[in-house]
Amino acid sequence: DAGVTQSPTHLIKTRGQQVTLRCSPKSGHDTVSWYQQALGQGPQFIFQYYEEEERQRGNFPDRFSGHQFPNYSSELNVNALLLGDSALYLCASSLEVLTGGPHEQYFGPGTRLTVT
Amino acid sequence: AQSVSQHNHHVILSEAASLELGCNYSYGGTVNLFWYVQYPGQHLQLLLKYFSGDPLVKGIKGFEAEFIKSKFSFNLRKPSVQWSDTAEYFCAVFSSGSARQLTFGSGTQLTVLP
Repeated sequence: DAGVTQSPTHLIKTRGQQVTLRCSPKSGHDTVSWYQQALGQGPQFIFQYYEEEERQRGNFPDRFSGHQFPNYSSELNVNALLLGDSALYLCASSLEVLTGGPHEQYFGPGTRLTVT
Repeated sequence: AQSVSQHNHHVILSEAASLELGCNYSYGGTVNLFWYVQYPGQHLQLLLKYFSGDPLVKGIKGFEAEFIKSKFSFNLRKPSVQWSDTAEYFCAVFSSGSARQLTFGSGTQLTVLP
C-alpha cells in the first residue's frame, strides 16, 4: 500500500519564477491538503482539495494555487516566487467519509524549495 | 481562529528520564487532537490521536497523551525516553467547524542524551 508521494524532492528556483509541486495521495484517499513548513516552525495550512475543488484555504496569497485531478493527485503552484517562499512543502491525504467526522491526515516526505 | 501552543521549544533529557510535552489549543467546539513526530530526515508520522471517548490515549512507541477538555490541553507523555526518541514533536488540532483545517503548534525539539 503506497503512502503519500511527492515530487520533486528538492527544487531550487530564482526569485520571480514559478514552480509546480506534485502529490499522489495514499491509496483510497480522496482529499489532499498542502502545508508550508518553514525552518524551525510547524506546518502551516495552505489549502485543501476535495472532489477537484478547493474546499478550504489558509492565510496564503493568491500566488499560491492548486489543482486536483480525477485520480485525486494534486499540484501546488506558486507564482512570482519570493525568498520567503523557501520552505518544505508538505502534502497530506485523507479520506472524507463524513463532513464533520474524524479526520486523519497522512503526510508525504515533502518537497524542499529553495528560492535564491 | 484556532491556535495551538506548545510550551517548550527545546527539551533535553537523559535516557530513561520521563517526558511530558505541553500542548494547549484555543477552540471551543468539537476537536480532533493529534501528536505527530518528525525524526531527523524523515517525514511527519502520526504518533497518536484523540477523536472521542477515553481521554487517555495510547500511541506508538510507548507514548500516551491525555485530553483535558476543561484545560484545552493535550499533553504528550512517555515514562522512559530512549535515544531513538530524539525528534521534533508537533501537536495538531482539527476542528469540525467551518475551519476544517489541521492547525499545528510550532513544535518541540526533543534531544535525548545517551
